[in-house]
Amino acid sequence: DAGVIQSPRHEVTEMGQEVTLRCKLISGHNSLFWYRQTMMRGLELLIYFNNNVPIDDSGMPEDRFSAKMPNASFSTLKIQPSEPRDSAVYFCASSLFGKAGELFFGEGSRLTVL
Amino acid sequence: QQQVKQSPQSLIVQKGGISIINCAYENTAFDYFPWYQQFPGKGPALLIAIRPDVSEKKEGRFTISFNKSAKQFSLHIMDSQPGDSATYFCAAAGTSYGKLTFGQGTILTVHP
Repeated sequence: DAGVIQSPRHEVTEMGQEVTLRCKLISGHNSLFWYRQTMMRGLELLIYFNNNVPIDDSGMPEDRFSAKMPNASFSTLKIQPSEPRDSAVYFCASSLFGKAGELFFGEGSRLTVL
Repeated sequence: QQQVKQSPQSLIVQKGGISIINCAYENTAFDYFPWYQQFPGKGPALLIAIRPDVSEKKEGRFTISFNKSAKQFSLHIMDSQPGDSATYFCAAAGTSYGKLTFGQGTILTVHP
């Protein structure tokens, strides 16, 4: 079975540009989590969805960040405009509803904002 | 109350030794305590997990010890191998919470 699929794996962009990160959930999973990982702050939960509905977006840094689930198997995380401090590895993870402790992570999208 | 505190930040162990990573939590509503393992360039992967109704869980060389009264739990890696070199995260979740709270991570290096 395919795992969580993220794209792009690497993104280098210039400050002010729009960045869109994509995630495909594992088939049958209905909870989706976006995490950001940096050396300084570790793994931070940005937002999570249950059955396509955003439940908690308190971790989203500011209005420049937005996340959507247009359907049950796909999600996007958008940063507009991007800033150098957004440079990090962004992970999405999926799980069965109610099994938030058993996350399946993608391989991450490494974002560098110059 | 949502924090999970993990120590040490980094750990160096000789091959064949025992690696021990400790975590502490505050929220007594947490009822599921997983450990995740992350290799460079990869996402974290679930390694082993425990619920508070047992004090220990063992899977191969990996053991979780759980102390409910102290609100602490730890990961022991017996006979540590160079292939165990990775970052390890403890975490906690509760049935009333839809999300996982991670510790800060421990970078484990096992020297051959």
